[in-house]
Amino acid sequence: DGGITQSPKYLFRKEGQNVTLSCEQNLNHDAMYWYRQDPGQGLRLIYYSQIVNDFQKGDIAEGYSVSREKKESFPLTVTSAQKNPTAFYLCASRLPGTGSSGMNTEAFFGQGTRLTVV
Amino acid sequence: GENVEQHPSTLSVQEGDSAVIKCTYSDSASNYFPWYKQELGKRPQLIIDIRSNVGEKKDQRIAVTLNKTAKHFSLHITETQPEDSAVYFCAARPDSSYKLIFGSGTRLLVRP
Repeated sequence: DGGITQSPKYLFRKEGQNVTLSCEQNLNHDAMYWYRQDPGQGLRLIYYSQIVNDFQKGDIAEGYSVSREKKESFPLTVTSAQKNPTAFYLCASRLPGTGSSGMNTEAFFGQGTRLTVV
Repeated sequence: GENVEQHPSTLSVQEGDSAVIKCTYSDSASNYFPWYKQELGKRPQLIIDIRSNVGEKKDQRIAVTLNKTAKHFSLHITETQPEDSAVYFCAARPDSSYKLIFGSGTRLLVRP
């Protein structure tokens, strides 16, 4: 279903702990993204990666870290420096697109991970 | 930096009426504008997209219009049905960038 898998679906973290959210895709997509979704709010970009071993900060990168050692995987670590980590986290991937080629540049989303700090 | 504003935040319509959601973007280099639908508890999914070389695109009951001069684009849903109830997100991205920026979302409620 969709070819992009996030795990776990629900995650509980104690204050002061780091946690890592998994995102795996078998769509052979180069680009991958992490978004945070808070109740009643939009999708805010945390980090994105264009290619293996390369990633860039999004709009709300503070308190988060990522790695991109493999094309298929883009894990997100929520560190203790993130003061308000309770949220719904969505991972997405897409093919790089060029306007002239008309290549499908749809972003496919995972099912999400709901992180709660207890 | 890049920004996408979306209005309204909530929209309630009677079944059969039309619904319009509007977005504006700040990066004039943006030339790809997708719309995503997120049903309750599910992942966002693409419903329609448009490129800057066209002004309008239709797919059955949904359509998207783009005014590149004014830097705004809109989603139009005609003959709304209860199953159209969801949160809708617009987004903008230049083809030269991998960064995909979303609007804040519109919660659409279609009353039977």
